Amino acid sequence: DIQMTQSPLSLSASVGARVTVTCQASQDITHYLNWYQHKPGLAPKLLIYDASNLQTGVPSRFNGSGSGTDFTLTISGLQPEDVATYYCQQCDNHPVTFGQGTRLEI
Amino acid sequence: QVHLVQSGTEVRRPGASVKVSCKVAGTTLTASSLHWVRQAPGKGLEWMGYFDPEDGETISAQRFQGRVSMTDDASTDTAYMELRSLRSDDTAVYYCARIVGDLGLGHFDSWGQGTLVTVSS
Repeated sequence: DIQMTQSPLSLSASVGARVTVTCQASQDITHYLNWYQHKPGLAPKLLIYDASNLQTGVPSRFNGSGSGTDFTLTISGLQPEDVATYYCQQCDNHPVTFGQGTRLEI
Repeated sequence: QVHLVQSGTEVRRPGASVKVSCKVAGTTLTASSLHWVRQAPGKGLEWMGYFDPEDGETISAQRFQGRVSMTDDASTDTAYMELRSLRSDDTAVYYCARIVGDLGLGHFDSWGQGTLVTVSS
Protein backbone atom coordinates (compact mmCIF):
# COMPACT_ATOMS: atom_id res chain seq x y z
CA ASP A 1 0.00 0.00 0.00
CA ILE A 2 1.11 3.57 -0.66
CA GLN A 3 1.75 5.42 2.60
CA MET A 4 0.82 9.08 2.81
CA THR A 5 2.63 11.20 5.40
CA GLN A 6 1.37 14.65 6.28
CA SER A 7 3.13 17.38 8.18
CA PRO A 8 2.62 19.06 10.44
CA LEU A 9 -0.05 17.04 12.24
CA SER A 10 -1.35 20.18 13.86
CA LEU A 11 -0.77 23.90 13.51
CA SER A 12 -2.10 27.16 14.72
CA ALA A 13 -2.11 30.37 12.69
CA SER A 14 -3.68 33.80 12.73
CA VAL A 15 -6.49 35.09 10.59
CA GLY A 16 -5.02 36.37 7.36
CA ALA A 17 -1.92 34.18 7.56
CA ARG A 18 -0.56 31.93 4.85
CA VAL A 19 -0.62 28.28 5.86
CA THR A 20 1.13 25.33 4.23
CA VAL A 21 0.43 21.62 4.73
CA THR A 22 2.63 19.05 3.09
CA CYS A 23 1.92 15.46 2.04
CA GLN A 24 4.55 12.95 1.03
CA ALA A 25 3.80 9.69 -0.75
CA SER A 26 5.90 6.56 -0.22
CA GLN A 27 6.22 6.18 -3.99
CA ASP A 28 5.68 8.20 -7.15
CA ILE A 29 1.97 8.95 -7.60
CA THR A 30 2.44 11.48 -10.44
CA HIS A 31 -0.40 13.97 -9.93
CA TYR A 32 -2.98 11.61 -8.39
CA LEU A 33 -3.36 13.47 -5.12
CA ASN A 34 -6.48 15.03 -3.61
CA TRP A 35 -7.10 17.29 -0.60
CA TYR A 36 -10.13 17.34 1.69
CA GLN A 37 -11.34 19.60 4.47
CA HIS A 38 -13.14 17.90 7.35
CA LYS A 39 -15.02 19.76 10.07
CA PRO A 40 -16.42 17.99 13.16
CA GLY A 41 -19.92 16.66 12.62
CA LEU A 42 -19.84 17.29 8.89
CA ALA A 43 -18.89 15.24 5.87
CA PRO A 44 -15.44 15.73 4.35
CA LYS A 45 -15.31 18.26 1.54
CA LEU A 46 -13.20 17.98 -1.58
CA LEU A 47 -10.93 21.00 -2.03
CA ILE A 48 -8.34 20.06 -4.62
CA TYR A 49 -8.18 17.13 -7.04
CA ASP A 50 -5.35 15.83 -9.19
CA ALA A 51 -2.85 17.84 -7.15
CA SER A 52 -3.74 21.31 -8.37
CA ASN A 53 -7.33 21.51 -9.63
CA LEU A 54 -9.65 23.59 -7.47
CA GLN A 55 -13.01 21.91 -6.94
CA THR A 56 -16.00 24.00 -8.07
CA GLY A 57 -17.19 26.34 -5.35
CA VAL A 58 -14.00 26.18 -3.27
CA PRO A 59 -12.53 29.61 -2.48
CA SER A 60 -9.47 30.60 -4.49
CA ARG A 61 -7.40 31.05 -1.32
CA PHE A 62 -6.92 27.27 -1.41
CA ASN A 63 -4.12 26.12 -3.70
CA GLY A 64 -2.57 22.73 -4.37
CA SER A 65 0.77 21.96 -5.94
CA GLY A 66 3.31 19.20 -6.35
CA SER A 67 3.94 16.02 -8.27
CA GLY A 68 5.68 12.72 -7.85
CA THR A 69 5.99 12.18 -4.11
CA ASP A 70 5.76 15.69 -2.63
CA PHE A 71 2.63 17.81 -2.48
CA THR A 72 1.50 20.99 -0.79
CA LEU A 73 -1.80 22.55 0.20
CA THR A 74 -1.57 26.29 0.75
CA ILE A 75 -4.22 28.52 2.26
CA SER A 76 -3.57 32.18 1.55
CA GLY A 77 -5.39 34.60 3.82
CA LEU A 78 -6.63 32.22 6.51
CA GLN A 79 -10.27 32.70 7.52
CA PRO A 80 -11.98 31.63 10.78
CA GLU A 81 -14.11 29.14 8.83
CA ASP A 82 -10.97 27.31 7.70
CA VAL A 83 -10.62 25.69 11.13
CA ALA A 84 -10.75 21.99 10.25
CA THR A 85 -8.67 18.88 9.72
CA TYR A 86 -7.13 18.55 6.27
CA TYR A 87 -6.42 15.21 4.61
CA CYS A 88 -4.52 14.25 1.50
CA GLN A 89 -5.54 11.13 -0.44
CA GLN A 90 -3.74 9.29 -3.20
CA CYS A 91 -5.66 7.74 -6.09
CA ASP A 92 -2.77 6.42 -8.14
CA ASN A 93 -3.03 2.83 -6.99
CA HIS A 94 -5.26 0.48 -5.03
CA PRO A 95 -6.02 0.70 -2.20
CA VAL A 96 -6.91 4.37 -1.91
CA THR A 97 -5.04 5.76 1.10
CA PHE A 98 -5.32 8.91 3.17
CA GLY A 99 -2.77 10.88 5.13
CA GLN A 100 -3.09 11.07 8.92
CA GLY A 101 -4.69 14.50 8.78
CA THR A 102 -3.50 17.98 9.79
CA ARG A 103 -5.53 19.83 12.40
CA LEU A 104 -5.63 23.56 11.76
CA GLU A 105 -6.57 26.00 14.50
CA ILE A 106 -6.85 29.77 14.58
CA GLN B 1 -26.53 18.25 -7.75
CA VAL B 2 -25.72 14.86 -6.26
CA HIS B 3 -26.99 14.22 -2.76
CA LEU B 4 -26.20 11.14 -0.67
CA VAL B 5 -28.48 10.34 2.28
CA GLN B 6 -27.41 7.70 4.76
CA SER B 7 -29.36 5.68 7.31
CA GLY B 8 -29.36 6.60 10.98
CA THR B 9 -27.29 5.83 14.05
CA GLU B 10 -26.81 2.19 14.99
CA VAL B 11 -25.79 0.47 18.21
CA ARG B 12 -24.63 -3.13 18.16
CA ARG B 13 -23.14 -5.73 20.49
CA PRO B 14 -19.72 -7.20 19.73
CA GLY B 15 -20.06 -10.06 17.29
CA ALA B 16 -23.19 -8.66 15.66
CA SER B 17 -23.61 -7.22 12.16
CA VAL B 18 -24.68 -3.82 10.91
CA LYS B 19 -25.97 -2.71 7.52
CA VAL B 20 -25.74 0.94 6.52
CA SER B 21 -27.58 2.35 3.53
CA CYS B 22 -26.79 5.28 1.24
CA LYS B 23 -29.47 6.62 -1.08
CA VAL B 24 -28.49 8.62 -4.15
CA ALA B 25 -30.50 11.66 -5.21
CA GLY B 26 -29.93 14.05 -8.10
CA THR B 27 -28.59 11.25 -10.26
CA THR B 28 -28.84 7.47 -10.43
CA LEU B 29 -26.82 4.83 -8.66
CA THR B 30 -25.88 3.27 -11.99
CA ALA B 31 -24.35 6.58 -13.04
CA SER B 32 -22.35 6.75 -9.81
CA SER B 33 -19.63 4.76 -8.15
CA LEU B 34 -19.97 4.82 -4.39
CA HIS B 35 -17.21 3.96 -1.97
CA TRP B 36 -17.25 3.61 1.79
CA VAL B 37 -14.91 5.44 4.16
CA ARG B 38 -14.93 5.43 7.94
CA GLN B 39 -13.54 7.53 10.76
CA ALA B 40 -13.05 6.05 14.22
CA PRO B 41 -13.07 8.42 17.21
CA GLY B 42 -9.88 10.46 17.28
CA LYS B 43 -8.60 8.80 14.11
CA GLY B 44 -8.27 9.75 10.47
CA LEU B 45 -10.20 8.74 7.38
CA GLU B 46 -9.95 5.09 6.38
CA TRP B 47 -11.01 3.74 2.99
CA MET B 48 -13.06 0.56 3.25
CA GLY B 49 -14.03 -0.42 -0.28
CA TYR B 50 -16.76 -0.39 -2.90
CA PHE B 51 -19.11 -2.59 -4.92
CA ASP B 52 -17.94 -3.36 -8.45
CA PRO B 53 -21.09 -3.84 -10.55
CA GLU B 54 -19.05 -5.22 -13.46
CA ASP B 55 -18.02 -8.26 -11.43
CA GLY B 56 -20.77 -8.15 -8.82
CA GLU B 57 -18.11 -8.23 -6.14
CA THR B 58 -17.04 -6.24 -3.13
CA ILE B 59 -13.59 -4.69 -3.51
CA SER B 60 -12.35 -3.93 -0.01
CA ALA B 61 -9.30 -3.00 1.97
CA GLN B 62 -7.43 -6.07 3.11
CA ARG B 63 -8.22 -5.56 6.77
CA PHE B 64 -11.97 -5.87 6.06
CA GLN B 65 -11.86 -8.78 3.64
CA GLY B 66 -14.19 -11.57 4.68
CA ARG B 67 -16.06 -9.30 7.07
CA VAL B 68 -17.61 -6.68 4.79
CA SER B 69 -20.12 -6.81 1.95
CA MET B 70 -21.06 -3.90 -0.26
CA THR B 71 -24.02 -4.05 -2.60
CA ASP B 72 -26.03 -1.83 -4.89
CA ASP B 73 -29.80 -1.80 -5.45
CA ALA B 74 -30.32 0.08 -8.70
CA SER B 75 -34.11 -0.15 -8.38
CA THR B 76 -34.00 2.15 -5.34
CA ASP B 77 -30.72 3.98 -6.09
CA THR B 78 -29.41 2.74 -2.76
CA ALA B 79 -26.01 1.33 -1.84
CA TYR B 80 -25.41 -0.82 1.21
CA MET B 81 -22.45 -1.66 3.39
CA GLU B 82 -22.71 -4.59 5.79
CA LEU B 83 -19.99 -5.19 8.37
CA ARG B 84 -20.04 -8.48 10.31
CA SER B 85 -18.40 -9.81 13.46
CA LEU B 86 -18.30 -6.32 14.89
CA ARG B 87 -15.64 -5.39 17.42
CA SER B 88 -15.36 -2.38 19.69
CA ASP B 89 -12.76 -0.85 17.36
CA ASP B 90 -15.37 -0.80 14.58
CA THR B 91 -17.04 2.05 16.45
CA ALA B 92 -16.86 4.85 13.90
CA VAL B 93 -18.72 7.20 11.62
CA TYR B 94 -19.23 5.47 8.28
CA TYR B 95 -19.49 7.56 5.11
CA CYS B 96 -20.52 6.74 1.60
CA ALA B 97 -18.82 8.89 -1.03
CA ARG B 98 -19.10 9.19 -4.78
CA ILE B 99 -15.86 8.73 -6.62
CA VAL B 100 -15.04 10.52 -9.86
CA GLY B 101 -12.47 8.58 -11.78
CA ASP B 102 -11.83 5.24 -13.36
CA LEU B 103 -11.21 1.67 -12.27
CA GLY B 104 -12.18 2.46 -8.69
CA LEU B 105 -9.66 5.27 -8.35
CA GLY B 106 -10.24 9.01 -8.27
CA HIS B 107 -11.46 11.77 -6.03
CA PHE B 108 -14.54 11.80 -3.76
CA ASP B 109 -16.67 14.77 -4.79
CA SER B 110 -19.89 14.05 -2.85
CA TRP B 111 -20.29 12.53 0.58
CA GLY B 112 -23.15 11.24 2.69
CA GLN B 113 -23.77 12.85 6.05
CA GLY B 114 -22.24 9.91 7.91
CA THR B 115 -23.70 7.11 10.03
CA LEU B 116 -22.46 6.58 13.57
CA VAL B 117 -22.08 2.92 14.45
CA THR B 118 -21.34 2.17 18.09
CA VAL B 119 -20.19 -1.31 19.12
CA SER B 120 -20.52 -1.87 22.82
CA SER B 121 -21.46 -4.61 25.21
